[in-house]
Amino acid sequence: GAVVSQHPSRVICKSGTSVKIECRSLDFQATTMFWYRQFPKQSLMLMATSNEGSKATYEQGVEKDKFLINHASLTLSTLTVTSAHPEDSSFYICSARALMAGYTFGSGTRLTVV
Amino acid sequence: RKEVEQDPGPFNVPEGATVAFNCTYSNSASQSFFWYRQDCRKEPKLLMSVYSSGNEDGRFTAQLNRASQYISLLIRDSKLSDSATYLCVVNGDSGYALNFGKGTSLLVTP
Repeated sequence: GAVVSQHPSRVICKSGTSVKIECRSLDFQATTMFWYRQFPKQSLMLMATSNEGSKATYEQGVEKDKFLINHASLTLSTLTVTSAHPEDSSFYICSARALMAGYTFGSGTRLTVV
Repeated sequence: RKEVEQDPGPFNVPEGATVAFNCTYSNSASQSFFWYRQDCRKEPKLLMSVYSSGNEDGRFTAQLNRASQYISLLIRDSKLSDSATYLCVVNGDSGYALNFGKGTSLLVTP
């Protein structure tokens, strides 16, 4: 089946630094990748929709200059949290929609900013 | 109003019990409906899609009422391994992005 590989699974960083999260579709081409964020006891909230070769579409309230998304190829999308702060600590997860296979999720990245 | 609403629970039930979860959604134009299961600190995994006619997969039965914008999930003969958070998921306005409910927590006890 369709697999999305997400790295890193866990990262702890200092406040003010940047963190890059990668999602790769391993056996299919992901023209669209969705990036979600989940705070404890909350639902997954869509942050942005990333399309290969074009600019990402951000949801209301999500700062595009803070959460940089790059989708340079059909198999790789990255989310960079720039100048991270403790309030950015969360579970970040990507999802792609594969033909005939529905939505596939990465395994998630737990970010802790100290 | 949230797009997808669920009772957060927790539901604590003994092994073998039958438990039902409900969900309502606000966007009448939604076309796709799912139940996902999420274990603690893990990614969501698809449990089943929900079809208008209702559908069953083993011990799990899902129902959809478009008129009431209501989705349900019934779990029969609960197992310890069913303990998880169950997410009601509906496709969103942007075409293919999913809208998630907060989830309903289930704990099955021996």
